[in-house]
Amino acid sequence: DAKTTQPPSMDCAEGRAANLPCNHSTISGNEYVYWYRQIHSQGPQYIIHGLKNNETNEMASLIITEDRKSSTLILPHATLRDTAVYYCIVRVERGSTLGRLYFGRGTQLTVWP
Amino acid sequence: DGGITQSPKYLFRKEGQNVTLSCEQNLNHDAMYWYRQDPGQGLRLIYYSQIVNDFQKGDIAEGYSVSREKKESFPLTVTSAQKNPTAFYLCASSIVWADGNQPQHFGDGTRLSIL
Repeated sequence: DAKTTQPPSMDCAEGRAANLPCNHSTISGNEYVYWYRQIHSQGPQYIIHGLKNNETNEMASLIITEDRKSSTLILPHATLRDTAVYYCIVRVERGSTLGRLYFGRGTQLTVWP
Repeated sequence: DGGITQSPKYLFRKEGQNVTLSCEQNLNHDAMYWYRQDPGQGLRLIYYSQIVNDFQKGDIAEGYSVSREKKESFPLTVTSAQKNPTAFYLCASSIVWADGNQPQHFGDGTRLSIL
């Protein structure tokens, strides 16, 4: 199963873009990259996911490198409410481990005024 | 509103006692999951179920048991065999399609402590 590496913490000024990196150098062809975030003492919230192409939704953009060994989650205009732990996860989409998520420690993003 | 409801929010267990955590979803999802989270750590999978009356062990199933008698319910029992049960427990659910490419939705968790 692919593992991910994220910086333990990052800071961002309110209103600026937050760019959260993730390395997944051992990712397999059938594994998607998922991003979740967790605000203290709450359940994780799904943000976005992708396989090869860049993706965008109302919350964020996901940029995946061509070799798929790394990705970046972009919050275009960070707010104080975006302060949370962000998890980058690779997920198997076939076979007996269908749907399983493998969480690491994530990145603590702190947005300051 | 559709969602996942976990109860209770806080739970205390005495030594040697079994306790059951409730997880109910009204999203019509086939798959349900239980995770455990320790302070400063990511989530670890305890059990998961992709269909009623069927479930599989995750990475840390020892000391836990589950049942899936109804599609909308997936209770987790923390038995006395679990020697370090103090943690934050999270339940999730998802649609299961042939390609499995659907995100999991989480409840707000139950925090279990030992008295």
